[in-house]
Amino acid sequence: DTAVSQTPKYLVTQMGNDKSIKCEQNLGHDTMYWYKQDSKKFLKIMFSYNNKELIINETVPNRFSPKSPDKAHLNLHINSLELGDSAVYFCASSQVRAGVWHEQFFGPGTRLTVL
Amino acid sequence: DAKTTQPPSMDCAEGRAANLPCNHSTISGNEYVYWYRQIHSQGPQYIIHGLKNNETNEMASLIITEDRKSSTLILPHATLRDTAVYYCIVRYLKAAGNKLTFGGGTRVLVKP
Repeated sequence: DTAVSQTPKYLVTQMGNDKSIKCEQNLGHDTMYWYKQDSKKFLKIMFSYNNKELIINETVPNRFSPKSPDKAHLNLHINSLELGDSAVYFCASSQVRAGVWHEQFFGPGTRLTVL
Repeated sequence: DAKTTQPPSMDCAEGRAANLPCNHSTISGNEYVYWYRQIHSQGPQYIIHGLKNNETNEMASLIITEDRKSSTLILPHATLRDTAVYYCIVRYLKAAGNKLTFGGGTRVLVKP
């Protein structure tokens, strides 16, 4: 079974559209993340949720809105897509135990192409 | 989180040990050294982490200098499947949010 899964794997859409990417983890972790990897291959964190509460919100346009319906899911909704949003988006999860934040497990990525 | 410096690329012969250096001269006493790797088009994969002592697991060994200003990740017997970008990251183990700050990493090419 896949530990961290993302759908879709590929997403091609027109500028101005609204799209969502879904992420699910079956590891029982309490923290989930969204990272963006641009064309230059730099990985940057966007958001982090712990027990459905937003704890990290980097400088990300308001067009990006994460939603965590439960601890096992973290979805990313993007409004009014722009060319610069084209990237690979990775979801990740990890566990906090006794105040210690353990290693992150990453999903396979969603390659978003905005035309 | 402390900044890290890694060589942009290195080659390694299959079956030989690969030694990947990382400089983190501004690391503080509570920061751990983490290594992740990203195989082409896949999500990053955790490899190992350590604070002061050398660490070993089934994937690799981590050697941290006594002053903790640098470290080396060792892949003992590199295989073609170890071709990837390797990231050295330093962070507080108890930092709220667990943000990983990825740099450019080292692109390792294992050659037959």
